[in-house]
Amino acid sequence: AQSVTQPDIHITVSEGASLELRCNYSYGATPYLFWYVQSPGQGLQLLLKYFSGDTLVQGIKGFEAEFKRSQSSFNLRKPSVHWSDAAEYFCAVGDLVTNAGKSTFGDGTTLTVKP
Amino acid sequence: ETGVTQSPTHLIKTRGQQVTLRCSSQSGHNTVSWYQQALGQGPQFIFQYYREEENGRGNFPPRFSGLQFPNYSSELNVNALELDDSALYLCASSLDQGRPEAFFGQGTRLTVV
Repeated sequence: AQSVTQPDIHITVSEGASLELRCNYSYGATPYLFWYVQSPGQGLQLLLKYFSGDTLVQGIKGFEAEFKRSQSSFNLRKPSVHWSDAAEYFCAVGDLVTNAGKSTFGDGTTLTVKP
Repeated sequence: ETGVTQSPTHLIKTRGQQVTLRCSSQSGHNTVSWYQQALGQGPQFIFQYYREEENGRGNFPPRFSGLQFPNYSSELNVNALELDDSALYLCASSLDQGRPEAFFGQGTRLTVV
């Protein structure tokens, strides 16, 4: 069964500092990977996705993520964090083999940005 | 182009009651998935509908059921509500059933008392 682990429950960074959020996945085939962001009381907004090709993918709001098959990881990065980036971040893996369209999510990482 | 819209935004129900949540998919999308997000957790897949048929189901009991209509909007019905059903219910639409990229609505916050 597929699974996603986000090892860091809560991360605090200073505004302007760099950010890396970790994501490890377990999936039996080539994964479809996503990062979503959720502000309090809101739905999920797609930041970026990886389907195939270049392992470094660019997303919205200055975020990027790198797919590393050997490490089963898909870490999210941003070179300079803004106060508005404070939110909950979810990594997800999409299942096209057994249940088309289903995504399995990690439990999220809460990002706090210090002024 | 309209996004995914859900109604109502908030709902309070009593244990044992039934509830219906509604979702309008994004224009041009024929696939709708429902997720339950308990406090402090990631979303959990409930089921997916494609062209009015259930197209996959997660580990949820039969009292969770759904419908999809010819215009691809969808309903989630939960019978015999339990306290643990309190959660944010998210609807997501996809362009097609083979496409895992989904666009989420703002969710319905259900509180069972």
